[in-house]
Amino acid sequence: AQSVTQPDIHITVSEGASLELRCNYSYGATPYLFWYVQSPGQGLQLLLKYFSGDTLVQGIKGFEAEFKRSQSSFNLRKPSVHWSDAAEYFCAVGADYGGSQGNLIFGKGTKLSVKP
Amino acid sequence: KAGVTQTPRYLIKTRGQQVTLSCSPISGHRSVSWYQQTPGQGLQFLFEYFSETQRNKGNFPGRFSGRQFSNSRSEMNVSTLELGDSALYLCASSSTMRTETQYFGPGTRLLVL
Repeated sequence: AQSVTQPDIHITVSEGASLELRCNYSYGATPYLFWYVQSPGQGLQLLLKYFSGDTLVQGIKGFEAEFKRSQSSFNLRKPSVHWSDAAEYFCAVGADYGGSQGNLIFGKGTKLSVKP
Repeated sequence: KAGVTQTPRYLIKTRGQQVTLSCSPISGHRSVSWYQQTPGQGLQFLFEYFSETQRNKGNFPGRFSGRQFSNSRSEMNVSTLELGDSALYLCASSSTMRTETQYFGPGTRLLVL
């Protein structure tokens, strides 16, 4: 069965420091992978997505992620964190072998806190 | 372009009651999905609709149902509410089911007492 693991429940980084959020997936075919961000009381906003092609994906707000098939990973990175990046981050995989985005399997999320 | 709207935003019900939540997708979007978010289980897929047809269904009891109308608006219904149904219910829409970005609404927070 498809699954997504985000090993870190909570991460604290200093403002200006670099960030890497980990995501591992289990999927039987070529995965469609996503990173979403959720601020308190808000819905989810898509940061970036990977369907095929270049394994380094650029997203909004200065985020990027790298798809590594050999490691079944899709880690999210940002070179310099801003206080406004404090939120919860979710990694997700498209669960339908047909590639439908409508059935996403989400990780449990990583809550990011930013120290001034 | 207006985003995905969900009504109501907050709802309080008692056990045994039923509830209907509404989702209006972005104009032109034909695919609507529903998710339940709880602190314990995280984000879980409920169902997906495309052109008024349910395409996928998650692993939820039959008390959870949904439908989509010809204008792509969608509703989900939960009958015989249980305490464990307290959650944030998120709706998402996209223009097709595959490579297009899925946009999420702000959610409906349901509290069951």
